[in-house]
Amino acid sequence: QLVQSGAEVRKPGSSVKVSCMTSRGTFNSFAVSWVRQAPGQGLEWMGRIIPSIGTTNYAQKFQGRVNITADKSTRTAYMELNSLRSEDTAVFYCARGEAFDMWGQGTRVTVSS
Amino acid sequence: QTVVTQEPSLSVSPGGTVTLTCGLTSGSVSTNNYPGWYQQPPGQAPRTLIYSTNIRSSGVPGRFSGSIVGNKAALIITGVQADDECDYYCVLDLGGGTWIFGGGTKLTVL
Repeated sequence: QLVQSGAEVRKPGSSVKVSCMTSRGTFNSFAVSWVRQAPGQGLEWMGRIIPSIGTTNYAQKFQGRVNITADKSTRTAYMELNSLRSEDTAVFYCARGEAFDMWGQGTRVTVSS
Repeated sequence: QTVVTQEPSLSVSPGGTVTLTCGLTSGSVSTNNYPGWYQQPPGQAPRTLIYSTNIRSSGVPGRFSGSIVGNKAALIITGVQADDECDYYCVLDLGGGTWIFGGGTKLTVL
């Protein structure tokens, strides 16, 4: 099971950090991806981390603005998005592995002045 | 820039069969793209149907199947039911640890 942090409200230009708590098995054996879904829009892959080795990959669109990390002590993955703009208002999901076979419940982030 | 293409909308009658496709603007989709398919009811998180072209996720009924048809990945739904009316997304592995989702297909059961 993937359990995400709660909803956030941010002002334009600020940052947000969303967490995704995993199980030991997931953390040690699978990548964790982050997926954005703006209101009424489709799914957008942002990037991923392989927590066991710390390797990250990012979609070109988000490169330089997103930072995905993982904390071994709490088996939690994090997605930090910087320089927020109104278009970043969305639900953010974490998903497990290459199969995306398990999804978090989603975290709503609202960017508004 | 590579784009993953899906039909924006499809309709099907209850009990019928429908095929959703997933293509690449840059070329053909193959098993090396490890296509996955996800169902998303309104207001809910996505649910995994198929991964790695044709492997059904745990608990997914056999009327959902995946394959490569021509130069695209395909999700075939047989015996369509009313609660299959959802959005469906495909995802492709572009290599180098990066993935891309299609724009989604809105399936209407008439």
